[in-house]
Amino acid sequence: EAQVTQNPRYLITVTGKKLTVTCSQNMNHEYMSWYRQDPGLGLRQIYYSMNVEVTDKGDVPEGYKVSRKEKRNFPLILESPSPNQTSLYFCASSLMGTEGLAVSYEQYFGPGTRLTVT
Amino acid sequence: DQQVKQNSPSLSVQEGRISILNCDYTNSMFDYFLWYKKYPAEGPTFLISISSIKDKNEDGRFTVFLNKSAKHLSLHIVPSQPGDSAVYFCAAIGSNFGNEKLTFGTGTRLTIIP
Repeated sequence: EAQVTQNPRYLITVTGKKLTVTCSQNMNHEYMSWYRQDPGLGLRQIYYSMNVEVTDKGDVPEGYKVSRKEKRNFPLILESPSPNQTSLYFCASSLMGTEGLAVSYEQYFGPGTRLTVT
Repeated sequence: DQQVKQNSPSLSVQEGRISILNCDYTNSMFDYFLWYKKYPAEGPTFLISISSIKDKNEDGRFTVFLNKSAKHLSLHIVPSQPGDSAVYFCAAIGSNFGNEKLTFGTGTRLTIIP
């Protein structure tokens, strides 16, 4: 089954304790991205990766790190979490925009990770 | 600066009637638009999309309309079913931006009343 998986699904941690949220996709997608969802703000992009070893900042990258050592994995790292990073996080992947003559920007999302930082 | 706006946080519709969800955007460089549906405790799932070269795209009960001059799009669901109750996000992308980034609206919670 084609899917994006995230772990953990729920996490409660304390300020300053480093954590990693893993993301993996089995669709051989080049593009992967992390979003956070907050009430009244929709989904905002944190970081994205166009391919292995190629990552770049999204709209809200402060306090986060990512790495893309393999095509299928795109972990999100919070080196020193703070309470304002309490949020619902989604990983997503997609093929690059064009495939032959077809244009598709559909992104597939993981189930989400609800993070609480106290 | 909210470039994609969904001004109705919630909408209730009787089962069997038409649901119309609206979305406005400000960036004229957006040229591809998508609708996502989200159930609680799940990630968003793709519903339907439209390129800026079209003004309508239809897929079963779902139709998306695009009015480029007004920078407005809408999603029509006919007939509405209880399983359509979810949060709907509008998203936009500029194919020339070079980063495949989806810019999302804040979502509209649709409730279908049996």
